[in-house]
Amino acid sequence: NAGVTQTPKFQVLKTGQSMTLQCAQDMNHNSMYWYRQDPGMGLRLIYYSASEGTTDKGEVPNGYNVSRLNKREFSLRLESAAPSQTSVYFCASTKYRDRVREQYFGPGTRLTVT
Amino acid sequence: QQQVKQSPQSLIVQKGGIPIINCAYENTAFDYFPWYQQFPGKGPALLIAIRPDVSEKKEGRFTISFNKSAKQFSLHIMDSQPGDSATYFCAASGHGGFKTIFGAGTRLFVKA
Repeated sequence: NAGVTQTPKFQVLKTGQSMTLQCAQDMNHNSMYWYRQDPGMGLRLIYYSASEGTTDKGEVPNGYNVSRLNKREFSLRLESAAPSQTSVYFCASTKYRDRVREQYFGPGTRLTVT
Repeated sequence: QQQVKQSPQSLIVQKGGIPIINCAYENTAFDYFPWYQQFPGKGPALLIAIRPDVSEKKEGRFTISFNKSAKQFSLHIMDSQPGDSATYFCAASGHGGFKTIFGAGTRLFVKA
């Protein structure tokens, strides 16, 4: 089991460029999430997908779009990158078992927008 | 209110000390309170979690204390080790569990 995988690991974009961050999980989880992590701000939810075919906005969705391609894959797109989107992006999926809700995180994508 | 407030921002303790990280929440609909541990360059990983029907939970050297009336919970690390040096996040989620709200994080450094 690879768990949650993300590509790329690092990316540098110029302002206005677009890109898609890819995420896949092999644990058969229904729910998937995209977070951004900034110093002193914790993890902030960008978008989530409770199940295949559904997506919903989180706390900071502006400037982003998502696609839940199938049960395994959930991508995050920046249509026109801005310096304020410089951050570390984490994808996660959630396992619900008994009374435990455990989020499994990928290794992250470090994005710099110049 | 969806916020989870976490303190302190950073903490330095000697090996063997007991660092304590505190969190407070407002929304009484939250019913699940996990703590995540993150090492540099890695994603967070679940460390321990508690529900409001108990006041304390221990797993190894890690203990969560929960005060439902005060809407506060804390993480204690017994006999802390240099390998515990990491960033710790408290979090909260509610019924349905689809959204988890994270605190701002505490950077812990355990001196050898």
